[in-house]
Amino acid sequence: RKEVEQDPGPFNVPEGATVAFNCTYSNSASQSFFWYRQDCRKEPKLLMSVYSSGNEDGRFTAQLNRASQYISLLIRDSKLSDSATYLCVVNRNQGGKLIFGQGTELSVKP
Amino acid sequence: DTEVTQTPKHLVMGMTNKKSLKCEQHMGHRAMYWYKQKAKKPPELMFVYSYEKLSINESVPSRFSPECPNSSLLNLHLHALQPEDSALYLCASSQGPSGSTDTQYFGPGTRLTVL
Repeated sequence: RKEVEQDPGPFNVPEGATVAFNCTYSNSASQSFFWYRQDCRKEPKLLMSVYSSGNEDGRFTAQLNRASQYISLLIRDSKLSDSATYLCVVNRNQGGKLIFGQGTELSVKP
Repeated sequence: DTEVTQTPKHLVMGMTNKKSLKCEQHMGHRAMYWYKQKAKKPPELMFVYSYEKLSINESVPSRFSPECPNSSLLNLHLHALQPEDSALYLCASSQGPSGSTDTQYFGPGTRLTVL
């Protein structure tokens, strides 16, 4: 079992749809949590850090449930420009090593 | 400004060549990282530098040799690579020492092809 697991993709959704990504992590010592997005042939870019209290940035909402070791990302009113791979990332505070999920590909269609 | 720069953008090299990848950040970050990413896979950590000292080597073959000349620069020296080393090489930096959980910011990467 991988340490960070994400929903397999791809997700194909129409513009304006709401889409939810789920992620679970197995190491309870994990300390910080992130969603990155990566466009084709580009670098990962930080989308959001994720906190237990939940956090929202415009159309994006991230939640962390430490008890269930579960992280989610909700995208509302999806745009064509949201098409990318979304990476769930965990930092166990062991030398700065990030643990990446395999990524979920999102394709938003007109 | 969270900017990490990398040069070159693209590199094609033969198996007998020696080349170097360069990474630079001017954010005062104290930890810098090299990652390797193959197509359709997540990035894999190679090396971590904290306060200009190598703190993690993820059992990377010796044909990859990192160097941190100062707190803003990180190099990756390449020698006698194999075709399977072809990948996107990403540099990242974070504010705190490598033991912290600070956000890592990635550069645009160098796309390496080994012939």
